[in-house]
Amino acid sequence: QQQVKQSPQSLIVQKGGISIINCAYENTAFDYFPWYQQFPGKGPALLIAIRPDVSEKKEGRFTISFNKSAKQFSLHIMDSQPGDSATYFCAARGGAQKLVFGQGTRLTINP
Amino acid sequence: DAGVTQSPTHLIKTRGQQVTLRCSPKSGHDTVSWYQQALGQGPQFIFQYYEEEERQRGNFPDRFSGHQFPNYSSELNVNALLLGDSALYLCASSLFRQGARDTQYFGPGTRLTVL
Repeated sequence: QQQVKQSPQSLIVQKGGISIINCAYENTAFDYFPWYQQFPGKGPALLIAIRPDVSEKKEGRFTISFNKSAKQFSLHIMDSQPGDSATYFCAARGGAQKLVFGQGTRLTINP
Repeated sequence: DAGVTQSPTHLIKTRGQQVTLRCSPKSGHDTVSWYQQALGQGPQFIFQYYEEEERQRGNFPDRFSGHQFPNYSSELNVNALLLGDSALYLCASSLFRQGARDTQYFGPGTRLTVL
């Protein structure tokens, strides 16, 4: 019940295309869903986050879509750029700020 | 405004040894969480400190212990190191407010290699 399942494991997108990463969860007590971006040798950096009472949140080229009934959420990166190449993690918060992370998606944007 | 800092950057130890990792939270933050990130995996929650007490713990053995100081900085100690403890250890800081949804900010991590 504490798991967050993320897919795909890896993704290759052409420059200018849309990158889509999906996550699913089981625990309905999760109350906050952030996405983190991580470059090699660095710590995760917050990209965008959503609460379960909102179905969509957009910040620049990044959009989170949230489906509470299906217990799924996804990250869309519009106009993907080579600088977006990184590993992306979805996460869910349950209880006292503990984050449960997905397994990660390695995104490669081809120029 | 300094973000989350961690030291050392890299560390090499041998099996059976003990290690101490350090973290200074982002200015204004009072809560520190520690995560272990194995190669190619997502971070796994170890434990969280607030008001110098361990508030929540993940599924890690007692070999993993911690401490938080009055200035909110924190240490992670691992005893009797195993090869499987090799990982990137991440510290995340946040501001504890009941019912709030404050973000956790991560440091760059300490890469621990156990030989």
